[in-house]
Amino acid sequence: GQQLNQSPQSMFIQEGEDVSMNCTSSSIFNTWLWYKQDPGEGPVLLIALYKAGELTSNGRLTAQFGITRKDSFLNISASIPSDVGIYFCAGQLKTNNQFYFGTGTSLTVIP
Amino acid sequence: DGGITQSPKYLFRKEGQNVTLSCEQNLNHDAMYWYRQDPGQGLRLIYYSQIVNDFQKGDIAEGYSVSREKKESFPLTVTSAQKNPTAFYLCASNGLGGASNQPQHFGDGTRLSIL
Repeated sequence: GQQLNQSPQSMFIQEGEDVSMNCTSSSIFNTWLWYKQDPGEGPVLLIALYKAGELTSNGRLTAQFGITRKDSFLNISASIPSDVGIYFCAGQLKTNNQFYFGTGTSLTVIP
Repeated sequence: DGGITQSPKYLFRKEGQNVTLSCEQNLNHDAMYWYRQDPGQGLRLIYYSQIVNDFQKGDIAEGYSVSREKKESFPLTVTSAQKNPTAFYLCASNGLGGASNQPQHFGDGTRLSIL
């Protein structure tokens, strides 16, 4: 399957700090998505990006669709304890319109 | 409320037994997907369907089977041929069309364990 490299694999931060994570690929994507998954639950869509260079915010979350269409990043500002969870990126591959998922970034926020 | 419903939440399988996981959506989505998630790993695609009575194998289809007799339903059967079935199974769906398909939305998952 298609490989999406997501980093970092895990993060431990203090409450109030900003967080940044990213996904990269050697292939071109039409769409980039960012999801959050809580333990024992399904992933929930946070942000969807459809155009190269697009920068979209959802509250304290900001995500960008890379200019090369091969990468995307997600920033979380002023983290709070409820931000804890696993964050996944997903990209829709240009060649076949299928979605592929990163391996996730596990976020721990220390109060 | 519109959404994707997976059942049961927890399922136990005995040796040599087939089990079926249910996935129903009332979002009028054309496409439905089954993923397997193992601890600390990403999502791996088992099967997907873009239209009723048609489905395609994903990356890890061996030991699994599906059907798509109705648009809103996409059950997954874990057969006895799947030797390592313990995992968290996620169903997703999305609408199709245009240059970019709509984002996938997920159910709350079924955790399958071996007895």
